[in-house]
Amino acid sequence: AQSVTQPDIHITVSEGASLELRCNYSYGATPYLFWYVQSPGQGLQLLLKYFSGDTLVQGIKGFEAEFKRSQSSFNLRKPSVHWSDAAEYFCAVLNNAGNMLTFGGGTRLMVKP
Amino acid sequence: NAGVTQTPKFQVLKTGQSMTLQCAQDMNHNSMYWYRQDPGMGLRLIYYSASEGTTDKGEVPNGYNVSRLNKREFSLRLESAAPSQTSVYFCASSERTTNEKLFFGSGTQLSVL
Repeated sequence: AQSVTQPDIHITVSEGASLELRCNYSYGATPYLFWYVQSPGQGLQLLLKYFSGDTLVQGIKGFEAEFKRSQSSFNLRKPSVHWSDAAEYFCAVLNNAGNMLTFGGGTRLMVKP
Repeated sequence: NAGVTQTPKFQVLKTGQSMTLQCAQDMNHNSMYWYRQDPGMGLRLIYYSASEGTTDKGEVPNGYNVSRLNKREFSLRLESAAPSQTSVYFCASSERTTNEKLFFGSGTQLSVL
């Protein structure tokens, strides 16, 4: 069965600094990978997804993620963090049947002024 | 633009009580899902409905039942609530069964005493 690990439970960065959130997955075939963001008291919103093709994927709000098969990783990056980016971020992988997402435990991002 | 609407937003139950969480979407989506979110565990799928008239178990279905009332509505029922069901519950929908992009409600915070 597929699984997703987000090694960092909490991350704090200064506003304007760069950001990288780590995601490692376990999956037998070519994975379909996602990053979602959850603002406080809200449901999740899709940031970006990778299905195939270019391994560097652009998303909304200036985020990007890079798929690295050799490292089983799909890390999320942003060059310059804004205070409004403070939220919880979830990486997810779609199962073979295409009917179930498995989520990682999430990384809570705090942004210092 | 209502999107996915969940009711209630908050609920406190005593052990053994029953209740139904309601979910409705106005995007004409085929697939609907119920997740629970627990700290450090990400979101886990309880049940899903790939299309009107069908429902299937997810990762953690025990103690829950669902009804896909029509294309818009998908309810989650706890017949005899247990403290282990204290969680935040999210309903989501997607256009197709391969849940490429999930649209989430804002969640129901449930406490079982």
